[in-house]
Amino acid sequence: GQQVMQIPQYQHVQEGEDFTTYCNSSTTLSNIQWYKQRPGGHPVFLIQLVKSGEVKKQKRLTFQFGEAKKNSSLHITATQTTDVGTYFCAVKAAGNKLTFGGGTRVLVKP
Amino acid sequence: DGGITQSPKYLFRKEGQNVTLSCEQNLNHDAMYWYRQDPGQGLRLIYYSQIVNDFQKGDIAEGYSVSREKKESFPLTVTSAQKNPTAFYLCASSPRDLSGNTIYFGEGSWLTVV
Repeated sequence: GQQVMQIPQYQHVQEGEDFTTYCNSSTTLSNIQWYKQRPGGHPVFLIQLVKSGEVKKQKRLTFQFGEAKKNSSLHITATQTTDVGTYFCAVKAAGNKLTFGGGTRVLVKP
Repeated sequence: DGGITQSPKYLFRKEGQNVTLSCEQNLNHDAMYWYRQDPGQGLRLIYYSQIVNDFQKGDIAEGYSVSREKKESFPLTVTSAQKNPTAFYLCASSPRDLSGNTIYFGEGSWLTVV
């Protein structure tokens, strides 16, 4: 079935620094979604990317879809403690279901 | 309030017992899903349903069962055949066509088997 790999699995970031997490697929994707799960919470939708090379921004978060539509990235600038959580990418798989990557767990050092 | 309600939030059960987790949505969504999340891990799909009275196995369906008798309800039964049932269970729903749509999650149910 459709699989997506996320790297890194863990990201320890100093408050104020930037970081990037990546989502990679071996096949071409129709679209990709990103979710955030706070510790002890449930995943919440952040954004969807559809077009090749698409870039979308949400305040300090920048999402990008690769030109070949096989990878995506999430870049966070000036990390804050509110950014703590796990970020998942998700792709639509056959049968109209979502397959999630393993997630990047972000810890912020004050 | 519109949304997805899962109950109970915390559940303890003895090994060998079946347990049913409830999921109700009032979003008028056709599709519903059950995911399992182990500590520090990603989400794995257990079962999903696109329409009432129909459902399909996900990636880890063994030891679980579901029913979809009503559009708004999609209960999950964790049977005694599930060898390692302790986990966080997430129910979700979406419009039938995921193209251009997202899924919405409930707050989850923590199941601990002792």
